[in-house]
Amino acid sequence: DSGVTQTPKHLITATGQRVTLRCSPRSGDLSVYWYQQSLDQGLQFLIQYYNGEERAKGNILERFSAQQFPDLHSELNLSSLELGDSALYFCASSVEGLARGNEQFFGPGTRLTVL
Amino acid sequence: AQSVAQPEDQVNVAEGNPLTVKCTYSVSGNPYLFWYVQYPNRGLQFLLKYITGDNLVKGSYGFEAEFNKSQTSFHLKKPSALVSDSALYFCAVREAYSGAGSYQLTFGKGTKLSVIP
Repeated sequence: DSGVTQTPKHLITATGQRVTLRCSPRSGDLSVYWYQQSLDQGLQFLIQYYNGEERAKGNILERFSAQQFPDLHSELNLSSLELGDSALYFCASSVEGLARGNEQFFGPGTRLTVL
Repeated sequence: AQSVAQPEDQVNVAEGNPLTVKCTYSVSGNPYLFWYVQYPNRGLQFLLKYITGDNLVKGSYGFEAEFNKSQTSFHLKKPSALVSDSALYFCAVREAYSGAGSYQLTFGKGTKLSVIP
C-alpha cells in the first residue's frame, strides 16, 4: 500500500458526460501528479500540482482540468467524454525537495470506461 | 526534452536465470532515474532509483540497476528470476534540477517480463 488513495476504483459513463476523479496524497506529500495510462499511449503525464498551485502541464486535453485543495487532496475533472478517454487514471504524490530525487508514489488508479 | 526508451516490449526468462530489462534515456542535464513495477490491475510500485553516487543501485525484491552515463543506460537486473517477478516494468527519468520547480517523470513504454517456471 503506497498511502495514496483514489476514488472511485471503476467508473462507467457515456460519451458527452462529465466525471470527477479524486486523489488523496500520502501524508506530508505536497505534490500531486496525474497520469493517464492507455494501451496505445502508454503512461502519459497530465498535470502536476504543488501545495495548491499548478506546477506543470503535460499532455492534458482542454476538456480536462484539475485542482488541488487546501487539504492537499486533488480532483481531476474530465468533461465532454469521448470513447478515446477510456483509460486508467493514476494519481501519484511525492515530497518536494529542490535537488532531491524523491520518488513518486502511485495510487491504485481509477479505471474509466466511456460507452 | 527528456525521453526514455525501453527497446523490448517483452522479455521471457526461465525461473532461476538472471534477468535484464533494458532502458536508455535522454535528458538535458544530469538524470534522476527510476524503475517501477506494475502488477495486473494495480498501480505502479517503486523499485529503485539512481540519484548520485554508486552506479550500481540496489532496490526492492532483489532487483538492482546499473547507471551507465556514457551509454545513457539504466538497465534493471536480477540474479535469479522468480515466477512472481512476472509483471510490467517501467523506466522513468527526470532532470536532476528543474528551474521551474517541476519534477515530472517521463516514462518508457514498459517491458512485460514473463518468468517461465
